[in-house]
Amino acid sequence: AQRVTQPEKLLSVFKGAPVELKCNYSYSGSPELFWYVQYSRQRLQLLLRHISRESIKGFTADLNKGETSFHLKKPFAQEEDSAMYYCALKDTDKLIFGTGTRLQVFP
Amino acid sequence: KAGVTQTPRYLIKTRGQQVTLSCSPISGHRSVSWYQQTPGQGLQFLFEYFSETQRNKGNFPGRFSGRQFSNSRSEMNVSTLELGDSALYLCASSLIPGGSYEQYFGPGTRLTVT
Repeated sequence: AQRVTQPEKLLSVFKGAPVELKCNYSYSGSPELFWYVQYSRQRLQLLLRHISRESIKGFTADLNKGETSFHLKKPFAQEEDSAMYYCALKDTDKLIFGTGTRLQVFP
Repeated sequence: KAGVTQTPRYLIKTRGQQVTLSCSPISGHRSVSWYQQTPGQGLQFLFEYFSETQRNKGNFPGRFSGRQFSNSRSEMNVSTLELGDSALYLCASSLIPGGSYEQYFGPGTRLTVT
């Protein structure tokens, strides 16, 4: 079955530390993956998608088909990165979301 | 450009009642998807509408239904409410169907069933 797993509910780091939010997926086919972010009192919004191979707000994510992973990384965390992060997988025309990881960046 | 709007923002209902939630997509967007968000299950896909037709449906009972109007506005209805239906219901719109196209989310309607 198609599934997205985010093993960490909470990740706490200090400002300037590297961040890696883990995402693993299960999908029979060529996956299309996304990271969505929800800042406090804001709407859920797209952060990046793997097909774009882009870096947004210093975040990058590489699709590793061998490990079925799509981890989100940032070399130096900022306080404003504190938010809820969701990994999502496209399945036909719908998105399957992981349960999310809350990132807390302390000053 | 105005974002996705959802009404009402908050709703309290009692078990057995029914409820209708409304979603107005971004102007020009023709695809509307609905998700249920709960602390235990996270975000779960309910259904997607495009051109007034339901194209996709998640694993929810038949008590959950929806529709889309010719102006792309969408409503979802939950009949015979249960306590477990308490959740944040999110609506998302995109230009056309397909997860490759960015989905823009609304603020959600928080439904509490007592």
